[in-house]
Amino acid sequence: DSGVTQTPKHLITATGQRVTLRCSPRSGDLSVYWYQQSLDQGLQFLIQYYNGEERAKGNILERFSAQQFPDLHSELNLSSLELGDSALYFCASSVATGEGPDTQYFGPGTRLTVL
Amino acid sequence: AQKVTQAQTEISVVEKEDVTLDCVYETRDTTYYLFWYKQPPSGELVFLIRRNSFDEQNEISGRYSWNFQKSTSSFNFTITASQVVDSAVYFCALRELSGGKLIFGQGTELSVKP
Repeated sequence: DSGVTQTPKHLITATGQRVTLRCSPRSGDLSVYWYQQSLDQGLQFLIQYYNGEERAKGNILERFSAQQFPDLHSELNLSSLELGDSALYFCASSVATGEGPDTQYFGPGTRLTVL
Repeated sequence: AQKVTQAQTEISVVEKEDVTLDCVYETRDTTYYLFWYKQPPSGELVFLIRRNSFDEQNEISGRYSWNFQKSTSSFNFTITASQVVDSAVYFCALRELSGGKLIFGQGTELSVKP
């Protein structure tokens, strides 16, 4: 158990809908990262927040957005869902900014199925 | 550009065999970090090891060992006396000094048969 929690574990929804994925980092970690794992794209970095501020952005679609709250938990919002958004979404956390020797620990993931 | 290549998509071995998972990376940075993660059938990603680019010492942890060769840009992972519980997808990842994002390889699916 990495100490990173994600809810829900599974999510099934329809095209066009909007969902919110939630992540709580390990105690003491200030950075939260979101990754998407799909069969065709593999594991792709989406976005990083550090202490409430966006720090790095990857190949995140405009339909997707995220935020990190004062208690450091994070939410990833996915809207206007398409079939291709079906994937396993991971949250990871690390102690600091992610630079240097900082190590990311991953949560169990949320499996999103868009029908 | 940064890139991680795991050329072996699938490997199948019989229990107690040794197995090496290959990882080749590309980066222009002189300081960077390499990682291995394990994804068992249950789906979570488990951190195994971090290696700094300025530390080429090989590492052994129980049945696991890692061989880092900067000259060939490789960071290979060996499991000795494999066990069925080692069956998983293993990912190699790269992170440059100033960036937070991990660049993952495509993963190697290891199947250990009894």
